[in-house]
Amino acid sequence: GQSLEQPSEVTAVEGAIVQINCTYQTSGFYGLSWYQQHDGGAPTFLSYNALDGLEETGRFSSFLSRSDSYGYLLLQELQMKDSASYFCAVGIDDKIIFGKGTRLHILP
Amino acid sequence: DAEITQSPRHKITETGRQVTLACHQTWNHNNMFWYRQDLGHGLRLIHYSYGVQDTNKGEVSDGYSVSRSNTEDLPLTLESAASSQTSVYFCASSVSGVETQYFGPGTRLLVL
Repeated sequence: GQSLEQPSEVTAVEGAIVQINCTYQTSGFYGLSWYQQHDGGAPTFLSYNALDGLEETGRFSSFLSRSDSYGYLLLQELQMKDSASYFCAVGIDDKIIFGKGTRLHILP
Repeated sequence: DAEITQSPRHKITETGRQVTLACHQTWNHNNMFWYRQDLGHGLRLIHYSYGVQDTNKGEVSDGYSVSRSNTEDLPLTLESAASSQTSVYFCASSVSGVETQYFGPGTRLLVL
């Protein structure tokens, strides 16, 4: 079947770096996306990796390795406003499948 | 500015009633999607459309229907609301492909 696995929760300290992993059990997808969702809010698009390697967007970077069925989101210089849930997602055929999300807790 | 809106933002209804949730986008995106979000399940795809008159079933389509009569709107109808359909519903759109989607603010639906 098709599934995406990510940790349910991650805790980090303000100003530090944190990595949120996403492993998948699927094939034939177009790329890996990441979304951020604050409590009570809507998911917002963060990044997309169509190819293997690292994509950088400001403090956020995303990585994909198709050979390892693995990707991650890297958040640098953590700020309290980064406290949110982060979802990885893949496009397969004509649909998108989301992981169940990782809740990021940031300690002052 | 272009945007995607949903209405109502909150809805309480009774079991067995028909409910329609509206989704409207002004980006002129071809692709539109409906998701439900429940604790422990993440976002699950209900229905999607890749253009006018095109509709497709997603992962959890039973009990839901959609229609696409124009580019801007994709209303979601619950034919006969059930308590299991209590959830937060998100509409999304994309210009092409499925990877970069823009979400509406969501509708919280409670079925009593």
